[in-house]
Amino acid sequence: DSGVTQTPKHLITATGQRVTLRCSPRSGDLSVYWYQQSLDQGLQFLIQYYNGEERAKGNILERFSAQQFPDLHSELNLSSLELGDSALYFCASSVVGQGLFFGPGTRLTVL
Amino acid sequence: AQSVTQLGSHVSVSEGALVLLRCNYSSSVPPYLFWYVQYPNQGLQLLLKYTSAATLVKGINGFEAEFKKSETSFHLTKPSAHMSDAAEYFCAVNSGGSNYKLTFGKGTLLTVNP
Repeated sequence: DSGVTQTPKHLITATGQRVTLRCSPRSGDLSVYWYQQSLDQGLQFLIQYYNGEERAKGNILERFSAQQFPDLHSELNLSSLELGDSALYFCASSVVGQGLFFGPGTRLTVL
Repeated sequence: AQSVTQLGSHVSVSEGALVLLRCNYSSSVPPYLFWYVQYPNQGLQLLLKYTSAATLVKGINGFEAEFKKSETSFHLTKPSAHMSDAAEYFCAVNSGGSNYKLTFGKGTLLTVNP
């Protein structure tokens, strides 16, 4: 158990809809990272937050947005969903010198 | 820019045999390198990391990796494979410091045959 929690575990929705994925980092970790894992793209970095502020951005679509709240949990919002957005979405938190600790992921299926 | 190439998307070994999973990196700055393992339907678990200290890094579950700057490699090895090692393995690189925006390889699926 990495100490990073993600909800929900599974999400099934339709094209055009909007969903919110939630992540709580390990106790004491200030950074949250979001990654997308798909068969064709592999593991892609989406975005990083540090203590409530956006720190780095990767291959995140404009239809996607994220935020980190004062209690350090983070939400990833995906809107106008397309079939190609079906993937595993991972959240991770970091400890300096230790690397990333990943949550169990949210499997999103867009029908 | 950084990148990682994992040679071989699928490696199959017999139980008790040597495991060798290859990773080559490209980085314009001294890299930090990581190996992660992903079991079916689970998240990624850190196996080991290289952060510019000893070039031979020991990780969990009997795995180790050696950083070779001249070859830009960070191959993962285990002397004797166990059935429980069957999983997907990912090599990753970042530029160090406190930012862990990792760039991952495409992964290598390890199959262990009885």
